[in-house]
Amino acid sequence: EVQLVESGGGLVQPGGSLRLSCAASGFIFSNYAMSWVRQAPGKGLEWVSSINDSGDSTYYADSVKGRFTISRDNSKNTLDLQVNGLKGDDTAIYYCAKHQRAGTYSPADSWGQGTLVTVSS
Amino acid sequence: EIVLTQSPGTLSLSPGERATLSCRASQSVSSSYLGWYQRKPGQTPRLLIYGASRRATGVPDRFSGSGSGTDFTLTISRLGPEDFAVYYCHHYGSSPLTFGPGTKVDIK
Repeated sequence: EVQLVESGGGLVQPGGSLRLSCAASGFIFSNYAMSWVRQAPGKGLEWVSSINDSGDSTYYADSVKGRFTISRDNSKNTLDLQVNGLKGDDTAIYYCAKHQRAGTYSPADSWGQGTLVTVSS
Repeated sequence: EIVLTQSPGTLSLSPGERATLSCRASQSVSSSYLGWYQRKPGQTPRLLIYGASRRATGVPDRFSGSGSGTDFTLTISRLGPEDFAVYYCHHYGSSPLTFGPGTKVDIK
């Protein structure tokens, strides 16, 4: 069974940083692309960033480009999102999602329960 | 960026009725890269349809997807009590990936 467990969220001041992590199990992690998707309070789903199976291709939403960095460690089955320069608009639940295939242009077929990031002074 | 618009915003129906949800893209989308998710309160999104019309593993056949170009449809042939939820269409064929704002299907 696919399991994705996020951690690292919390309350942070504007301009602050966090490192979100996702521990994956139940599948061959290195064979699949991964993404981060967020949902702000009362809003819909917003794609944040994706990384292919090997980690050599990464993609970002314009709203986070230059501030967020996605990475993966296929030896540890972990996906990370370094989030810097946080703004109030970044307040959201951040979900880790596994794609159907190695490439990012495939649908996400499994999701974690999410980790809450709150940006507030 | 491909912007997805969903209609209606809310669909109020009774169990057993047919639900038809629409997703319109701001530019033509390859059918290979259009999907639908179901989201219930307290649960993670569930992939229902990918490639516009292909049911994901374990999805009942009362769910079907269709469409091409800029207009796509999710149809639930007979609503079961477990089908009342929010449904999102999703484009995953190019960066940025995008989601529609969602259609809420609630009980009439």
